[in-house]
Amino acid sequence: GAVVSQHPSWVICKSGTSVKIECRSLDFQATTMFWYRQFPKQSLMLMATSNEGSKATYEQGVEKDKFLINHASLTLSTLTVTSAHPEDSSFYICSARDGFWGRNSPLHFGNGTRLTVT
Amino acid sequence: AQSVTQLDSQVPVFEEAPVELRCNYSSSVSVYLFWYVQYPNQGLQLLLKYLSGSTLVESINGFEAEFNKSQTSFHLRKPSVHISDTAEYFCAVSGRNTPLVFGKGTRLSVIA
Repeated sequence: GAVVSQHPSWVICKSGTSVKIECRSLDFQATTMFWYRQFPKQSLMLMATSNEGSKATYEQGVEKDKFLINHASLTLSTLTVTSAHPEDSSFYICSARDGFWGRNSPLHFGNGTRLTVT
Repeated sequence: AQSVTQLDSQVPVFEEAPVELRCNYSSSVSVYLFWYVQYPNQGLQLLLKYLSGSTLVESINGFEAEFNKSQTSFHLRKPSVHISDTAEYFCAVSGRNTPLVFGKGTRLSVIA
């Protein structure tokens, strides 16, 4: 089945530094990728939708200058948390939709990245 | 705006007993409904989905969910659970041009 690889699975960084998270679709072309954030004991919250070759669409309340998303190819999207602060500590998950099957095709999720900012 | 409510954050159940995980949604437009499962230390996987047609949808591992438009529900059921069903289950809804919105998840714990 379709696989989405997310790297790293966990990262600890110091306050003020930037962290990049990669999301790759391994056996399909993902024209659309999504980035979610999960706070403890809360639901997954959509942060942004990235379409290959164009700017990401951010959900209300998500700072686009803080969470930089790049979707430069059909198999790779990156999320960079810039100038990280402890409140950015969270579980970040990416997902990708196989473009071949269209809008109703299921999402395939990465295993997530646990970010801890000290 | 769409929203999803999963009333039960945790559901413990004995092995071979039936289980129902509840999901209610709110939406003013046509909806597509999904159940995703996250096994320990793994990523989210699609369990089943309702797009159109028959309101009862089934998964390959014995789960089923029924779309009930009048009650705006999409409850997940299994007549007899196994230890291996222990996982977190997320209900999600989307519209034709809207992003996927998740519920808070229900942690199913199957007890031997």
